[in-house]
Amino acid sequence: AQRVTQPEKLLSVFKGAPVELKCNYSYSGSPELFWYVQYSRQRLQLLLRHISRESIKGFTADLNKGETSFHLKKPFAQEEDSAMYYCALGSGGSNYKLTFGKGTLLTVNP
Amino acid sequence: DGGITQSPKYLFRKEGQNVTLSCEQNLNHDAMYWYRQDPGQGLRLIYYSQIVNDFQKGDIAEGYSVSREKKESFPLTVTSAQKNPTAFYLCASSWGTGSEAFFGQGTRLTVV
Repeated sequence: AQRVTQPEKLLSVFKGAPVELKCNYSYSGSPELFWYVQYSRQRLQLLLRHISRESIKGFTADLNKGETSFHLKKPFAQEEDSAMYYCALGSGGSNYKLTFGKGTLLTVNP
Repeated sequence: DGGITQSPKYLFRKEGQNVTLSCEQNLNHDAMYWYRQDPGQGLRLIYYSQIVNDFQKGDIAEGYSVSREKKESFPLTVTSAQKNPTAFYLCASSWGTGSEAFFGQGTRLTVV
């Protein structure tokens, strides 16, 4: 069975500090990993996906199959980064489904 | 205006009554999903559908039912068998495997 673990419920950093939101997954097949973000009073939306290998809003995430991790990183946090972040795993082939972690609430303090 | 629409935004029902939450998308997406969002629990998958007239149980399907008679619609019924139905429900749609999921604004169901 597939599972996504985000060990930190809450993460608080100061503006300008580096931030890392952890995500580990469990899946026997070839995983597709995503980070979704939910800003206050907005819809949940895609931040980035591992297959794109892109940087969005200064965030990057690298898939480490050996450690089964997909941590989200940003070198210098901004106040507008404060939001709920969810790691998600896509799996299942023809019965493809998207499984989410419990989320990490990031607060960036001025 | 393209997108995914959930209605109503707020819903109140008496205990023991079935209630149906609406989810409509005009993005021509094949896949649709229903999640339940509770504080500290993240998003838990209730049901999902990759194609019209077919759907699969997610991790917490007990007490819920769905239908997928049209590509654009994926209604969720919360039945009286659901032990703890009060929650925030999110619907999403996507092209399918590996593609971005687009979310609705959610329906907050309160059962009294």
